Amino acid sequence: DGGITQSPKYLFRKEGQNVTLSCEQNLNHDAMYWYRQDPGQGLRLIYYSQIVNDFQKGDIAEGYSVSREKKESFPLTVTSAQKNPTAFYLCASSTSGTGGFYEQYFGPGTRLTVT
Amino acid sequence: QKEVEQNSGPLSVPEGAIASLNCTYSDRGSQSFFWYRQYSGKSPELIMSIYSNGDKEDGRFTAQLNKASQYVSLLIRDSQPSDSATYLCAVIKGGKLIFGQGTELSVKP
Repeated sequence: DGGITQSPKYLFRKEGQNVTLSCEQNLNHDAMYWYRQDPGQGLRLIYYSQIVNDFQKGDIAEGYSVSREKKESFPLTVTSAQKNPTAFYLCASSTSGTGGFYEQYFGPGTRLTVT
Repeated sequence: QKEVEQNSGPLSVPEGAIASLNCTYSDRGSQSFFWYRQYSGKSPELIMSIYSNGDKEDGRFTAQLNKASQYVSLLIRDSQPSDSATYLCAVIKGGKLIFGQGTELSVKP
């Protein structure tokens, strides 16, 4: 089955610890994205990558880091510098090109709680 | 002005009725428009995409786009309790997807 997987589904960490969220896709999509969703709010873009070994900051990149060493994988690290890390984190992927339609498909999400 | 605006709701409709969800956007140059459905505690699911003026129908869903008015809507015919969810409007701007806050829809049996 083609799709996007995120692990773990729930993650609990102590304040001050870095944590890495996994995102893998087998859709052969070039572009991958990380969003954050807080209760009652829309999605906010953290980082995105349109090609291997390249990524760009989104609207709320402070306190986060990413890597894109493989087309299939786009892990997100939430660092201790992120002031309010507790949130629902969503990974998405899409085709990328001059066609520009950019239909994005989401993984199931990781719910991170930091205490 | 928000880049993508939706009424937060909740919008309540009786089972079998038509639910109408609305969205306006600020960038006149936007070309691609999407509707996502998000059940409580789950991730968004793409249900409709529309790229040109007019209507696009898919089963019980119809997306309507009016670029002159910068307005996109989603109609759900014969609404079912299983349609109860938050519906997110999203617009491509500068190669990135910009989301509205979402409209909560409740379909009452």
